[in-house]
Amino acid sequence: KAGVTQTPRYLIKTRGQQVTLSCSPISGHRSVSWYQQTPGQGLQFLFEYFSETQRNKGNFPGRFSGRQFSNSRSEMNVSTLELGDSALYLCASSSDSFGDEQYFGPGTRLTVT
Amino acid sequence: AQSVTQLGSHVSVSEGALVLLRCNYSSSVPPYLFWYVQYPNQGLQLLLKYTSAATLVKGINGFEAEFKKSETSFHLTKPSAHMSDAAEYFCAVTHGYQLTFGKGTKLSVIP
Repeated sequence: KAGVTQTPRYLIKTRGQQVTLSCSPISGHRSVSWYQQTPGQGLQFLFEYFSETQRNKGNFPGRFSGRQFSNSRSEMNVSTLELGDSALYLCASSSDSFGDEQYFGPGTRLTVT
Repeated sequence: AQSVTQLGSHVSVSEGALVLLRCNYSSSVPPYLFWYVQYPNQGLQLLLKYTSAATLVKGINGFEAEFKKSETSFHLTKPSAHMSDAAEYFCAVTHGYQLTFGKGTKLSVIP
């Protein structure tokens, strides 16, 4: 099976712009989660989608949003970018059994200048 | 709220020596526990998962972890370190669909 794919792998944006990141889960996986990784804060949960619905949300401002499509692919959007949004954004998919392991993509490295 | 503490942000071992990476969780109910590894410029790779079927869990690449409820610990071990084990290791806990990660431990292997 193909793994989780994320596009693009690298992005450079200017403060105030918006950005959209894409994630394709492992075939058959219906749950997609997003995490932000920074040197200072480590790995933090952003949100999780299942069957096109946001099921869980982390403690991030409303500038961070996401959605999931009927084929389980997911996108996350960050509006009005700030310098502090520079991070590695990781997408993970799972088969949706309670406590199931999550499989991660390679991440998108976002740099905000 | 559940939390995970990884003792030691950086651990160095000699090639061939025992690897021990420590993880303690905070939870009143035994959670699901995981260890992940991250190589530079890559995503997270699952090493192993505690499922409550057995307290000693074997994972990939020769790693294993022992769940000790009395100590709320889930330490990761490997009998003999290889150069290829140099990476950052994360312990994570979940009670459902959201992972909570520790801060990570960078493992260096000295030839």
